[in-house]
Amino acid sequence: DAGITQSPRHKVTETGTPVTLRCHQTENHRYMYWYRQDPGHGLRLIHYSYGVKDTDKGEVSDGYSVSRSKTEDFLLTLESATSSQTSVYFCAIRTDLNTEAFFGQGTRLTVV
Amino acid sequence: TQLLEQSPQFLSIQEGENLTVYCNSSSVFSSLQWYRQEPGEGPVLLVTVVTGGEVKKLKRLTFQFGDARKDSSLHITAAQPGDTGLYLCAGGRGGSNYKLTFGKGTLLTVNP
Repeated sequence: DAGITQSPRHKVTETGTPVTLRCHQTENHRYMYWYRQDPGHGLRLIHYSYGVKDTDKGEVSDGYSVSRSKTEDFLLTLESATSSQTSVYFCAIRTDLNTEAFFGQGTRLTVV
Repeated sequence: TQLLEQSPQFLSIQEGENLTVYCNSSSVFSSLQWYRQEPGEGPVLLVTVVTGGEVKKLKRLTFQFGDARKDSSLHITAAQPGDTGLYLCAGGRGGSNYKLTFGKGTLLTVNP
């Protein structure tokens, strides 16, 4: 298995609270991604990183922020969780363009 | 607006049948990848195509990249129940090639 770990794996939180999801890799891959997966929508890109402190927005970035202060960690923060952010969140890593993206096991987040 | 359109969205067939799923876009891609995802897991790479007109075979699976690098197809011969899963295409393009975006996926069910 690729060395990628997401934490927590499951979380229930209340509307309006901040939430941080962590993606940790041991592969030293340059590129890291956060996606959310909802029925009927496939995987939608939230934010991605192409190096330490180099991040950019994906297609559904509103309400989310990210940070990458070290190569191995990519944090996704929901600044004020809403019920529409209930989803399964996947982190992915890849070493270079056109190479395989390796995915974490996912985090199931429920906002009540 | 989804950059990559996949069709059909759902497909239910009997074991032994052949099928084709499609991934289409109005944009040119540097490469296209196909992933397969099983319930509760992250997607896993099946193939990467980078050259217009390229055809790759993986046992009973045949992948083709369109000549203009805007579309791709996945053909499965003699489908088996083990082929059941969500098939996703993903692509990167141009100067933001590291921005890996996915289609909505085709959910395939192969009945014994």
